[in-house]
Amino acid sequence: TAGITQAPTSQILAAGRSMTLRCTQDMRHNAMYWYRQDLGLGLRLIHYSNTAGTTGKGEVPDGYSVSRANTDDFPLTLASAVPSQTSVYFCASSPTDTNTEAFFGQGTRLTVV
Amino acid sequence: GQNIDQPTEMTATEGAIVQINCTYQTSGFNGLFWYQQHAGEAPTFLSYNVLDGLEEKGRFSSFLSRSKGYSYLLLKELQMKDSASYLCAVRDGNYQLIWGAGTKLIIKP
Repeated sequence: TAGITQAPTSQILAAGRSMTLRCTQDMRHNAMYWYRQDLGLGLRLIHYSNTAGTTGKGEVPDGYSVSRANTDDFPLTLASAVPSQTSVYFCASSPTDTNTEAFFGQGTRLTVV
Repeated sequence: GQNIDQPTEMTATEGAIVQINCTYQTSGFNGLFWYQQHAGEAPTFLSYNVLDGLEEKGRFSSFLSRSKGYSYLLLKELQMKDSASYLCAVRDGNYQLIWGAGTKLIIKP
């Protein structure tokens, strides 16, 4: 079972360019999340989706957008990257938004130069 | 504001016991989680507490006191593979997860 897959694994991106981080899960989970993880800080929620067709803003949504056209996919787009968006990005999913366990993808290491 | 506090780093000896503490202040409470994260890898779920008391799962146990806003993760019979970061997270009243910065645990032979 693949679980939750992110692509790419890592990327170097020029400032001002756009990029979409992909996330796909095959567990038929309703809830999906995007986090960023920076040294010395906890995981911070960027956007979330409790079910296909709905999305919501997390703690640090500025500069990012998401869509949830179907249950499996939850892409994260940076419209115009800035160096402060250099981070490790994790996608996660759970059966529902109130479930006890979230499953994480392997992460995307993004460097904006 | 909401915050989760846990020590930045701890060191312990192989075969010993270590306790990692977590204190929290959140708007509402709907459960506390512990995750393990090895360097360069994704977090993986360890435990969940929603009621006061101790939850035991093999070598790992997690304790919760809601009145004190306090939890700990207890690791027994430490193994070298337990070297990792341990993340404490609290689900607040809006069912949003608030994460601590993590405790890096170093195991020495």
